Amino acid sequence: NAGVTQTPKFQVLKTGQSMTLQCAQDMNHEYMSWYRQDPGMGLRLIHYSVGAGITDQGEVPNGYNVSRSTTEDFPLRLLSAAPSQTSVYFCASSPGQAPYEQYFGPGTRLTVT
Amino acid sequence: EDKVVQSPLSLVVHEGDTVTLNCSYEVTNFRSLLWYKQEKKAPTFLFMLTSSGIEKKSGRLSSILDKKELFSILNITATQTGDSAIYLCAVGRDNDMRFGAGTRLTVKP
Repeated sequence: NAGVTQTPKFQVLKTGQSMTLQCAQDMNHEYMSWYRQDPGMGLRLIHYSVGAGITDQGEVPNGYNVSRSTTEDFPLRLLSAAPSQTSVYFCASSPGQAPYEQYFGPGTRLTVT
Repeated sequence: EDKVVQSPLSLVVHEGDTVTLNCSYEVTNFRSLLWYKQEKKAPTFLFMLTSSGIEKKSGRLSSILDKKELFSILNITATQTGDSAIYLCAVGRDNDMRFGAGTRLTVKP
């Protein structure tokens, strides 16, 4: 099993550009989530999904969209990048429909200039 | 407002020392408290606690939850340099999870 994979590992965007961060898992997990991690602030939940076709907002959803058309994939879209979105982004998954023992991807370091 | 507070924010010890990391919380719809270890990249799961007073152990690490006083501690005995990491506390609710800011532990040889 590859576990949770994320692409790209690094990305630099200019303000106003859009892009999609990819996340995939091969463990047949129902629950998937996206977090951002900023220095001194821990992990903050952006969006989550309890199964294919179901998504919901987390703590900091503004400026981001998600979709969950399959169990395996959970892409995160930045609609119009802003410098405040400079961060490290982690995707995670867990079995069942709750976020407990989550398995995290390796992260994407995004810089918006 | 829901919050998860970890203390201390950073800690420097020498190999062989014992450390205690703290996590307090005020969260609606509490379901569980979890500890993760984050070295260079992704957090990895350590413990999940749902009941008060029951200690979870894994090698030199142990953790306990107090649901009345709303806190948990993570103990690491006989620390090693490989224990250097950020330790994250998180509270699981029905469908989401709230993380604390983390404690950065540095273990010197």
